[in-house]
This record gives sequence, structure tokens and C-alpha cells, in this order.
Amino acid sequence: AQSVTQLDSQVPVFEEAPVELRCNYSSSVSVYLFWYVQYPNQGLQLLLKYLSGSTLVESINGFEAEFNKSQTSFHLRKPSVHISDTAEYFCAVSSQGAQKLVFGQGTRLTINP
Amino acid sequence: GAGVSQTPSNKVTEKGKYVELRCDPISGHTALYWYRQSLGQGPEFLIYFQGTGAADDSGLPNDRFFAVRPEGSVSTLKIQRTERGDSAVYLCASSLTHQETQYFGPGTRLLVL
Repeated sequence: AQSVTQLDSQVPVFEEAPVELRCNYSSSVSVYLFWYVQYPNQGLQLLLKYLSGSTLVESINGFEAEFNKSQTSFHLRKPSVHISDTAEYFCAVSSQGAQKLVFGQGTRLTINP
Repeated sequence: GAGVSQTPSNKVTEKGKYVELRCDPISGHTALYWYRQSLGQGPEFLIYFQGTGAADDSGLPNDRFFAVRPEGSVSTLKIQRTERGDSAVYLCASSLTHQETQYFGPGTRLLVL
């Protein structure tokens, strides 16, 4: 069985500050990793994903995440956040060859001006 | 193009009643998923369809829950004898094939009184 742990339920930061949202997973098989974002009053949207290849993946809006197999982590980072990044962020894992996503509990990112 | 749509957006029912929740996937997507998101939690997998057949229903909590996709497009999640613990947001997602990115709908918020 797989599981995902998001270590912080809430992360408040000031605008233009860096942020890291932590995600650890457990799995006995090889995995795919995802970060989804849910903006207020909107549905879940894929932010970025790791399937294979380079362990550093980036999104179009400046977020990046690095797959660390030895630490079973997939932390999400952004060097400078904006008010518009206020949202809930969910880390998810699926085993290679499987279909269902296993989600963490989510991290609420709040940006203060 | 149109995304995944779900109806109704909100549903209030009484304990013991029967409810149906509908999902319209993105046109051409062969894979369809149902998840349930309880307050303060990440989404939890319920069932996955590949075409018309349920390829994985391991997440359905009990036999009160049932889902169909008779023509390989629209899907209906059916809940019999609803209980207060069934209150949650029910999310539907679709993907082009079973290993492609899952695109989520806005969800149906179910409240059982």
C-alpha cells in the first residue's frame, strides 16, 4: 500500500518570500509523483508531475519539485511567491502501471502582503 | 474545450435516501475516476473505469456505493441508504488513457442530514 504525508497543514508566508511545501511518500514499488493545486472555489488542477528522467520538474508558474528517492520525498518549492499562489496544495502518488492517485492531506498556503 | 463537469454542484438529502451524482468526462477520455474528499482531507480513490467497465473498485467503502458508465462516457455514482458519514465532496476525473494526466471536475458537495 502507498501513503503520502504532507508535513504542514498550513504554511503562511509573506509575498515575495520563498516557500517549501513538504511531501513524503511510502511505497514498495516505483512511483509517479504529482502536485495538484486547488485555488479558492475551483477544482483540482495539475501543477507538475514526475514520471521519469530528470528528478527536478518545473511548472509554468515558477514552482519546482525534486524527486528524492533515497529520502522518499517530493518537496515543492518556489523562490518568490505571489498573492495569487494562495491555494491548497496536494501531493499525490501512483504506482507505475496503476491508475489511482493516493493523495496527502493537503497544505494550505497563505500569502500575506 | 470543455472540462470535466459534474452535476449537481450541491446536493442536500436526508439520512436513508438514495442519491445519484453525475459526471461528464472530457470528450474522448477513456478513463474515468471517482474520488471522495472529506473536510480537511485529501481526495480518496473510490473507483476507476476503463471504457464501460469498472477496472478497479477497491475504494468503494461498502455495498451502498455503486457506479456505472454504460456507454463509456457519462458516469453515475449511486449511493443507497445515505448516512451522515457520506457527507463529502465527490470528485470525478478523466484521462485520455489510463496512464495520462487526470483532469478533475469541480465536484459535487453532498450533505446528508
